[in-house]
Amino acid sequence: NAGVMQNPRHLVRRRGQEARLRCSPMKGHSHVYWYRQLPEEGLKFMVYLQKENIIDESGMPKERFSAEFPKEGPSILRIQQVVRGDSAAYFCASSTFMTGSNTEAFFGQGTRLTVV
Amino acid sequence: AQSVTQLGSHVSVSEGALVLLRCNYSSSVPPYLFWYVQYPNQGLQLLLKYTSAATLVKGINGFEAEFKKSETSFHLTKPSAHMSDAAEYFCAVSDQGAGNMLTFGGGTRLMVKP
Repeated sequence: NAGVMQNPRHLVRRRGQEARLRCSPMKGHSHVYWYRQLPEEGLKFMVYLQKENIIDESGMPKERFSAEFPKEGPSILRIQQVVRGDSAAYFCASSTFMTGSNTEAFFGQGTRLTVV
Repeated sequence: AQSVTQLGSHVSVSEGALVLLRCNYSSSVPPYLFWYVQYPNQGLQLLLKYTSAATLVKGINGFEAEFKKSETSFHLTKPSAHMSDAAEYFCAVSDQGAGNMLTFGGGTRLMVKP
């Protein structure tokens, strides 16, 4: 059973370009979470998605960032017109979710975005 | 709003010594609490979690943590440090019913001296 797969592992973009980060959840998981880790900091929640639905995007910057989790295929975090401050490690986690309980979220290895 | 505070961004211990990593939280409802470990250039691996069952939680690699409601703490301990324990450790909290939307502390880097 493969874990959470993120690609690419490393991504270099010039200022103003678009970055697309992909996350394939574990088999059987229908909930995906994106987190951002800035250098020397902890992880900050960005967005929580179910298949075809955004459940909570309270941690997403208002501009340039978007996320989707289509019925088929991986979840995508898109950053338009990247700036140097977007350089960070972006982690995806997935879980099943049973009403009334919390289940473990499994994390991918992250995509390290460098904006030059 | 929830928050997590990890006292000490860097902790250094000798091999074989006690490991104590501190975590305090604030939450308006009984929380679920987690400790994750991150090795360099890797993702996060769950060490242990508290979900309102036993207050002393045992995890992987010999780690354990105790939930103390009166102190709003969830400190991580290990009786004897191993060189392989050197990593970054994150405490996290989640509200019941909030799925797995986690609020993380700033992390503690554990260094183990030979």
